[in-house]
Amino acid sequence: EVQLVESGGALVQPGGSLRLSCTASGFKFNSYWMSWVRQAPGKGLEWVANIKEDGGDKYYVDSVRGRFTISRDNAKSSVYLQMNSLRVEDSAVYFCARDLTVIRFLEALWEEKSYYYGMDVWGQGTTVTVSS
Amino acid sequence: QSVLTQPPSASGTPGQGVTISCSGSTSNIGSNTVSWYQQLPGTAPKLLIYSNNQRPSGVPDRFSGSRSGTSASLAISGLQSEDEAHYYCAAWDDSLKWVFGGGTKLTVL
Repeated sequence: EVQLVESGGALVQPGGSLRLSCTASGFKFNSYWMSWVRQAPGKGLEWVANIKEDGGDKYYVDSVRGRFTISRDNAKSSVYLQMNSLRVEDSAVYFCARDLTVIRFLEALWEEKSYYYGMDVWGQGTTVTVSS
Repeated sequence: QSVLTQPPSASGTPGQGVTISCSGSTSNIGSNTVSWYQQLPGTAPKLLIYSNNQRPSGVPDRFSGSRSGTSASLAISGLQSEDEAHYYCAAWDDSLKWVFGGGTKLTVL
């Protein structure tokens, strides 16, 4: 069964740090990009960051760049989100998701082209609460 | 303020059809494909549509997607009570980030 399981959510004070983990099973983890997406209480979905299959490329939403770091350990089929300098507005359920970003080399054009198909597998989420 | 714009709510009666719109710009929907997600209360989002109009296996053909220019739509036919959920559109933005719509709460009357 294809599955993602997040852990690490907790109550933390403003300015504190937290590390979220997401462990995958049932698929070839090192063949997929992975994303973190969050949802504040009563709000919509907000993408946070993603990371390429080999960890070589990483992208972040502006509001977390410089404070959050995404990483992965393919040997452990796991992706992580290190969150520093946490703010009250970072309080949310954090989901990890399998990201269907694909980079193909088009021989006819002799260039790489990226395709962004969506996120097809989601974990159950882990709750981060930032409060004093 | 979400980058992609969706109506906050939509409704229909069982058996009816409903369409949810998603408006973006040339840097997201205009350049990259759109995906749609269903989120039932208290659960994780579920991929409904990818590549504008493709359904993952297991998604009923009552759900269909389309894209035109910088806008996209999710159509649901033959509404069922279990379709009551929040629906989100998403696309990659050329500023190197995924962007989501604010979500549409679908009520089945």
